[in-house]
Amino acid sequence: AQKITQTQPGMFVQEKEAVTLDCTYDTSDQSYGLFWYKQPSSGEMIFLIYQGSYDEQNATEGRYSLNFQKARKSANLVISASQLGDSAMYFCAMRESGYSTLTFGKGTMLLVSP
Amino acid sequence: GAGVSQSPRYKVAKRGQDVALRCDPISGHVSLFWYQQALGQGPEFLTYFQNEAQLDKSGLPSDRFFAERPEGSVSTLKIQRTQQEDSAVYLCASSLLGGQNSGANVLTFGAGSRLTVL
Repeated sequence: AQKITQTQPGMFVQEKEAVTLDCTYDTSDQSYGLFWYKQPSSGEMIFLIYQGSYDEQNATEGRYSLNFQKARKSANLVISASQLGDSAMYFCAMRESGYSTLTFGKGTMLLVSP
Repeated sequence: GAGVSQSPRYKVAKRGQDVALRCDPISGHVSLFWYQQALGQGPEFLTYFQNEAQLDKSGLPSDRFFAERPEGSVSTLKIQRTQQEDSAVYLCASSLLGGQNSGANVLTFGAGSRLTVL
């Protein structure tokens, strides 16, 4: 079974609008961490935001926020006020208890139009 | 250095050739990871080092793949007798902390080495 599922291969949004990128995960652990990374065409993975499974508040970092619904095992990324520079691939990832590495989803391509 | 540096950025190899990909992590980072990213896919874990110790190599696809980090800093991923299915971007990442489940221990990635096997 997929540990990280990103069901949206591509998303389109107009500049200045908000967009939500979906991520669901599968784990039986109680302690885990969820990450979002951005990968522009240059190829480098850029860390955006982190949510720990025990964090009571949804994580926020500037224009990025994470809509964490633990019971539904979802960790959707919300980007407010989209900018042209937000056009990139976005990956959701998870670190489970007992592991140092991250498991990534297949990604969502976001295109922001003027 | 300021970030994770990988070289070469692009490598074209003939099938059967050996290749070596280098990763220079952020100075002082304990953990180092290698990932393989096929076109249109997410990164897939290959191997993990804590300092010079290779603690997890469960993702290496075959015994043609070998990684080392002899002095706990620079790492090399070597692929012997390359095959077409090895064509991918190889991403290296480092993180400050070692140990399992180290919370928000963020992985910082390099720009990757794109390998094309003809």
